[in-house]
Amino acid sequence: QKEVEQDPGPLSVPEGAIVSLNCTYSNSAFQYFMWYRQYSRKGPELLMYTYSSGNKEDGRFTAQVDKSSKYISLFIRDSQPSDSATYLCAMSLNAGNNRKLIWGLGTSLAVNP
Amino acid sequence: GEEVAQTPKHLVRGEGQKAKLYCAPIKGHSYVFWYQQVLKNEFKFLISFQNENVFDETGMPKERFSAKCLPNSPCSLEIQATKLEDSAVYFCASSPRTGTNEKLFFGSGTQLSVL
Repeated sequence: QKEVEQDPGPLSVPEGAIVSLNCTYSNSAFQYFMWYRQYSRKGPELLMYTYSSGNKEDGRFTAQVDKSSKYISLFIRDSQPSDSATYLCAMSLNAGNNRKLIWGLGTSLAVNP
Repeated sequence: GEEVAQTPKHLVRGEGQKAKLYCAPIKGHSYVFWYQQVLKNEFKFLISFQNENVFDETGMPKERFSAKCLPNSPCSLEIQATKLEDSAVYFCASSPRTGTNEKLFFGSGTQLSVL
């Protein structure tokens, strides 16, 4: 079993839809949770970063972490064609000295105009 | 610079040949990371550096892979005697010196094709 599970999709939605992306994980020691967006032929870029359980909002993006269920989510409101990309979740045991991230496989999202 | 610069963008090698990839981290960033992404699969951590010192090399296949980050030079990842399974996109990332922010800045990757 992989440490981090993520449905690869593809997920196709109409412009303006609310998108929900999810990851589950097995290691209860993970404390730092991230969502990265990767466009084709580019490196990933960080979208959201959260520590422990809770919600975090940034513009159209909301990240949720439920440590009791080992489940994290990214919501995209009012989705745009420019949101079409692969979304990867990543997590780590601690910050500071250890930045080795464990990644999901990524979910491919297409937002259709 | 303000971007992580990786060269070359594409590299083709015959099986058994050597491959060398380069990464210039963002100026002022002390941490450099190498990741391998095989055929859109998950990122596999290879090695990290704090300045020129190896910080964590638990992901490196040590018999054929080596990496360096020397002062005033781009970091490098070298694969001796490449194998077909080394075909992947190799990403370099850098991060700032301090803080608990896990923000990694990634380059655009080097696509290595071993034929």
